[in-house]
Parts: sequence; structure tokens; C-alpha cells
Amino acid sequence: EAQVTQNPRYLITVTGKKLTVTCSQNMNHEYMSWYRQDPGLGLRQIYYSMNVEVTDKGDVPEGYKVSRKEKRNFPLILESPSPNQTSLYFCASSQTPTGPGQPQHFGDGTRLSIL
Amino acid sequence: AQTVTQSQPEMSVQEAETVTLSCTYDTSENNYYLFWYKQPPSRQMILVIRQEAYKQQNATENRFSVNFQKAAKSFSLKISDSQLGDTAMYFCAFRPYFGNEKLTFGTGTRLTIIP
Repeated sequence: EAQVTQNPRYLITVTGKKLTVTCSQNMNHEYMSWYRQDPGLGLRQIYYSMNVEVTDKGDVPEGYKVSRKEKRNFPLILESPSPNQTSLYFCASSQTPTGPGQPQHFGDGTRLSIL
Repeated sequence: AQTVTQSQPEMSVQEAETVTLSCTYDTSENNYYLFWYKQPPSRQMILVIRQEAYKQQNATENRFSVNFQKAAKSFSLKISDSQLGDTAMYFCAFRPYFGNEKLTFGTGTRLTIIP
């Protein structure tokens, strides 16, 4: 089954304690992306990757890091989490080039609470 | 930069009735894609329907259809014969044809179907 898998689904942690949210896709997609969802703001892109070893900032990258060492994995790293990073996070992937407009496949979301 | 506006934060409709969710966007691009995503209480992001800007014909998927007005930069979603399972948050999203395949989302419309 084609899917994007995020872990963990839920996490409560404290300010300053480094954490990683993993994302893995089994569709051999080149493009992967992270979004955060906040009430009243919709989803906003944090980082994206066009292929292995190619990453770039989205609209709200401050406080986050990513890496793309393998095609299937795109972890999101919070080196020193702060309460303003409490949010619902989504990983997404799609085939490129855009061409026929392949839709993005989303993971099931990770609810992060930073105390 | 693109912006997407959903002016109806909440809507409710009786089961079996028809409801229309509005979406407007702003862009200088000529080629792009527009999407409606559904987010039920399970938090999953589910693609409902998509429209290519270069196609004049409005997209249709079963009970879901769009009214795409390119000159007016309007992209509304019509749900016919609404069902209880349609209760969800609905997001309108824009994606450029080339480059970063970032989805720019609106702030969402929370739709409740009343039995």
C-alpha cells in the first residue's frame, strides 16, 4: 500500500530537548515536504526536498532542520524546541516533475506539544 | 507570492442538501493547480478534487464539483447530496506548475452536516 509514514503520532516534551520526527514514503517519490498546521493559519511549508541531498527552506523554517540522505526518508529535527513550535505537523511527498499535476500524499500527522 | 483566501470559517448544512465553499486566490502565474483537501476529525489530509488552470472544464468527482473562474481567481467547491461523513475541515490549496511544489493553503472552512 502506497503511504507516507510519520512517527511519532503524538509527542509531549519540554523546552530545549532535541527531538526528531521521522517521515518515510514507499512510493519512490523525489519530492518531500514538511508542513505545520496551526488554527486560523492553515498549513504552512517548513522545508522541502526536490531529491536526495537537495533541501531548501519553505515559509517558516526557523527552529527546524531537515536532511535527505535517502530517497525514502525525510526527518524533521527540532534542535532546541520551544513552546511556539507546538503544532500539528505533516509530511508529504509527490512524484516530480509536476507535469500531470501529481497530488501530494500526506502522512497522518504528528501532534507535538512543547511545554 | 501566492495567497489563498477562504472567507467562510464555519458552515453548516442539513444532510442531503447542497453546500458551496468559497475560495479565492492571488497569483501572477498563468499555469498552476488548485486543490480541495478534506481533513476529518482523524486529521488525515484527503484530496477531494483538483483542477488544472489550463483546463476550462470544471473538475467533477462524484458528489463534488468545482466552479473555476480563472479571470476572477475563484475556485469554489460544491458538495451535492451532503452526507454526515462530509463533516470535516476543508482546505483550498494552490500549487505552481513549476519549481517548488509547495502547496499554499487557505485557512480552512469547518463544515458540519446536520442530521
